[in-house]
Amino acid sequence: AQSVAQPEDQVNVAEGNPLTVKCTYSVSGNPYLFWYVQYPNRGLQFLLKYITGDNLVKGSYGFEAEFNKSQTSFHLKKPSALVSDSALYFCAVRDGQAGTALIFGKGTTLSVSS
Amino acid sequence: GAVVSQHPSWVICKSGTSVKIECRSLDFQATTMFWYRQFPKQSLMLMATSNEGSKATYEQGVEKDKFLINHASLTLSTLTVTSAHPEDSSFYICSPDYVQETQYFGPGTRLLVL
Repeated sequence: AQSVAQPEDQVNVAEGNPLTVKCTYSVSGNPYLFWYVQYPNRGLQFLLKYITGDNLVKGSYGFEAEFNKSQTSFHLKKPSALVSDSALYFCAVRDGQAGTALIFGKGTTLSVSS
Repeated sequence: GAVVSQHPSWVICKSGTSVKIECRSLDFQATTMFWYRQFPKQSLMLMATSNEGSKATYEQGVEKDKFLINHASLTLSTLTVTSAHPEDSSFYICSPDYVQETQYFGPGTRLLVL
């Protein structure tokens, strides 16, 4: 069975500091990994994905994530946080089979203070 | 990315009534549609997967007679919450198929049952 763990309910950082939101996964086969962001009462916005290739993937709004197969992790990072980055972040995974839906972690609330 | 619309964005109804939520993929054709629900400050839970022209596959614990899914065309899927009760109040989000291996999501529909 596929699963995703986001161990932190909330991450607090000061504006301008680097941020990391953690994610570990479990999936049979090769994982397709994703990060999404959600603002209040809104749908999910796609940030970035890892399917294959370079372990470091870059996405929207300056975010990046590193795929680590040995640690089964896919942590989201940003070198310099903005107050506007404050939102709910979801890590998600699926296997590579056609027609399978994403399985989501519980979400991590990022709070960036000015 | 892909453009997905949902209608309505907000709906308030009385207990016992039925509510229909529409999900449209505006710039691509979706043979598969995923429906999720999200309770406040919680993760997205997959409810069902539908394929155009065939019956939906429901996740364990989701009542297929309460949550009717119709995927009659490649650009439109509907979710009908029948005989809604307060415990059905939630945020419902659709996600049509993949675009370049990525799931994109509708903006969501907030349902409040009084």
